Amino acid sequence: AQSVTQLGSHVSVSEGALVLLRCNYSSSVPPYLFWYVQYPNQGLQLLLKYTTGATLVKGINGFEAEFKKSETSFHLTKPSAHMSDAAEYFCAVSASGSARQLTFGSGTQLTVLP
Amino acid sequence: EPEVTQTPSHQVTQMGQEVILRCVPISNHLYFYWYRQILGQKVEFLVSFYNNEISEKSEIFDDQFSVERPDGSNFTLKIRSTKLEDSAMYFCASKGQGVSYEQYFGPGTRLTVT
Repeated sequence: AQSVTQLGSHVSVSEGALVLLRCNYSSSVPPYLFWYVQYPNQGLQLLLKYTTGATLVKGINGFEAEFKKSETSFHLTKPSAHMSDAAEYFCAVSASGSARQLTFGSGTQLTVLP
Repeated sequence: EPEVTQTPSHQVTQMGQEVILRCVPISNHLYFYWYRQILGQKVEFLVSFYNNEISEKSEIFDDQFSVERPDGSNFTLKIRSTKLEDSAMYFCASKGQGVSYEQYFGPGTRLTVT
């Protein structure tokens, strides 16, 4: 079984500051990991994913995440926050098997302060 | 860019009524999913569908729920007798077959049961 823990349900940063959203996972098989963003009243948009290979993955809008197996973590970062980054961010791990349904964390609401 | 579409965007129904939520997945995708998000909570997996049958389902997906792919394009979720606790945002997702393991989500249908 898989599970995802996102530390911090709400994170506030100043515009231009570093964004760090934390995600830890539990998986009985090598994990595939994802970060999705949800803007108000919208669906889920994929930011980035880790499947195999390079552990530092880059996504859209300047976000990146690093898979650390020893720490079972997949934290999301962005060097400089922009007002448009304000949204809810979900970390997810996929199950084994061909369908690979996603197990989501509880989400982190990012607020960007002017 | 191909996208997953869902209709209606908002459905209001009375307790005990049947509802059908509709989704049009990306045309060459082979795996289809329904997830739900109760207001303020995490996104939860309901069911996955492949090769015209359910491949995985969660504990939430009880006998009140059913899915169908009635033609080559639509993918539906039926709730036979809605309950107040079925009120949620329902997301459809689809995935191709291959190594990307990326699910594309639709914008969601907000179901309100009164």
